[in-house]
This record gives sequence, C-alpha cells and structure tokens, in this order.
Amino acid sequence: DIQMTQSPSSLSASVGDRVTITCQASQDISNYLNWYQQKPGKAPKLLIYDASNLETGVPSRFSGSGSGTDFTFTISSLQPEDIATYYCQQYDNLPHTFGQGTKLEIK
Amino acid sequence: QVQLQESGPGLVKPSQTLSLTCTVSGGSISSGGYYWSWIRQHPGKGLEWIGYIYYSGSTYYNPSLKSRVTISVDTSKNQFSLKLSSVTAADTAVYYCARGLDGVLDYWGQGTLVTVSS
Repeated sequence: DIQMTQSPSSLSASVGDRVTITCQASQDISNYLNWYQQKPGKAPKLLIYDASNLETGVPSRFSGSGSGTDFTFTISSLQPEDIATYYCQQYDNLPHTFGQGTKLEIK
Repeated sequence: QVQLQESGPGLVKPSQTLSLTCTVSGGSISSGGYYWSWIRQHPGKGLEWIGYIYYSGSTYYNPSLKSRVTISVDTSKNQFSLKLSSVTAADTAVYYCARGLDGVLDYWGQGTLVTVSS
C-alpha cells in the first residue's frame, strides 16, 4: 500500500494567517491526490482534486499544489469556519489510502 | 443533488456480521462511471477505505479486510450494501458510504456509528 504522511499532525493558527499542510507519498503518485475537510461529527468534504483543482463551490482561499511524492495544501487567509481536520488521499494505486490527518485549531 | 444515507444496526455482537445499507437519492446508482464506496473511521482516528462496487457488480476490496468483506448492489432499490463478518471490537467505527469517480469521493453519507460489543 502507498503510505501517505501528513505534517504537521496538528496546527494552531490565528484568523487571517496563511496555513500550509504537507502530504508526502511513499512513492510517485503523479497528481493523483485529493484533499478533504472534515468538521467534527461530519463526513469529509472534497476540497481539492487532482492535486490542484478546486472543487465547485469551495472558496478560493483553499489551494493545492505538487506532484510526484510531495504535495501542499494551503489556506491563504484562515477563517473561523475552517476549523477542521484535513486529509490527503491518493488514488494512483489500489487500495486508495488517506493521510493520518491534520487537525487545525484557532489560536 | 446526490444524497447518500447509511442505515443499519448501531450495535453488533462480537463474531457476528455487520450489515449496512446505503440508499442513494437524487441520482441513479446505475449512472456510468461511478463507483460506490465504503470507508470507515475508528473513533478519533483517520479514514480507512474498505472497498467499492460498480453498478455492474464489479468490486474491489481493501486487502486488509478482503477475507471478511462483501459489498453488493441493488439497482432496483438504488442501494448498495456492506457486510463485514466475524467482527471484533476493532471494527467499532463510523462507517461512511460515498460516491467515487476517477478516484475522487465527491458525495458522502453522514456516517453511522457501529459499536461491536456483547
């Protein structure tokens, strides 16, 4: 299985801050990577697909980049409603695997 | 707008079979190209992909669970189902169903907590 390693595991930031999360794959996955947001008690929600494409209806402050083994997820200006856990997911190889998650909190 | 809803027992005894159904509304489960997935999340933990099924009945299971998992589809009811046999406390989790296309899970159910306990 392809291992997905996210960092940091948790992050505390202030409203308006630029926030960056990284995801590293254990092997080359091209751009076959998605990012999901999960709020407490809710299902994950797709934010970014194919590493850098913004899902319809998702605010433009969210963005993604990268290819191969190293990927970045960015929130350009943190808003209170962005408090959640964020997961990366690869779909280059079966089984599709998720990172362990990054819990984002407001400072 | 596609919606998915999980249903099934919230409590299952050890060694028994966990059975869940996902009902799809707002779209046909027979729509070409989509696959229908089950994902679980252990309490306070990350996401684990269980497997998927196409409307044709073609399936893929995570090798870590393959010996115990069966996913089936009922196109007449616009539903797909999960069966996980010989459960233990380690199978206690929130179970989600989701729609997938080209590796992207774009619609998810709200999730249902299944506790394995005697």
